[in-house]
Amino acid sequence: LPVLTQPPSASALLGASIKLTCTLSSEHSTYTIEWYQQRPGRSPQYIMKVKSDGRYTRGDGIPDRFMGSSSGADRYLTFSNLHSDDEAEYHCGESHTIDGQVGWVFGGGTKLTVL
Amino acid sequence: EVQVVETGGGLIQPGGSLRLSCAASGFNVGSNYMNWVRQAPGKGLEWVSVIYSGGSTSYADSVKGRFTISRDNSKNTLYLQMDSLRAEDTAVYYCARYRTPENYFDYWGQGTLVTVSS
Repeated sequence: LPVLTQPPSASALLGASIKLTCTLSSEHSTYTIEWYQQRPGRSPQYIMKVKSDGRYTRGDGIPDRFMGSSSGADRYLTFSNLHSDDEAEYHCGESHTIDGQVGWVFGGGTKLTVL
Repeated sequence: EVQVVETGGGLIQPGGSLRLSCAASGFNVGSNYMNWVRQAPGKGLEWVSVIYSGGSTSYADSVKGRFTISRDNSKNTLYLQMDSLRAEDTAVYYCARYRTPENYFDYWGQGTLVTVSS
């Protein structure tokens, strides 16, 4: 089963840039992942999909200051010009098929604080 | 407008049973991959179960044999029957649609809290 690892916390100043990381287990380093934003007390919202070649696709209404990229088993979500309402938990997730059964795995989430 | 509303959460003793419901509007539950995803307090997301448009199902190993996902197309409602509940099942349970072929969870409900405690 794939394992997705995220640092538990990150912080950056208002207006700055920051890159969040999601690391896939080495044997699953070619997998595509999805990023979700979860503001406090709210349900998750899809942000984008990031492929192993670094191509990414943002969801509807997601501003272009959110970007994706990849390096090896790492998948990144980069914000530029941080806003106060970017303060949220960010989850990465992926889908896989094992023995004909589809399943989904998420990372532990990174709590982003905007200072 | 799309709406997804979960109900049925509450406080239940270990070993007990609970049934969650997820009423959808704006799309057909029976034509989509419908999932339950949970989040324990202060923790990340954990996928629980899916029912495909064709009716087949799949479960996370942590709930296999204890939880059953189903749907009623006439009511456009998804269910999760949870039996033999354990303390580690305590979480907010979200109903979520997995959009295909784009492959991501696009609609989520607000969640319903299940607390398993004596």
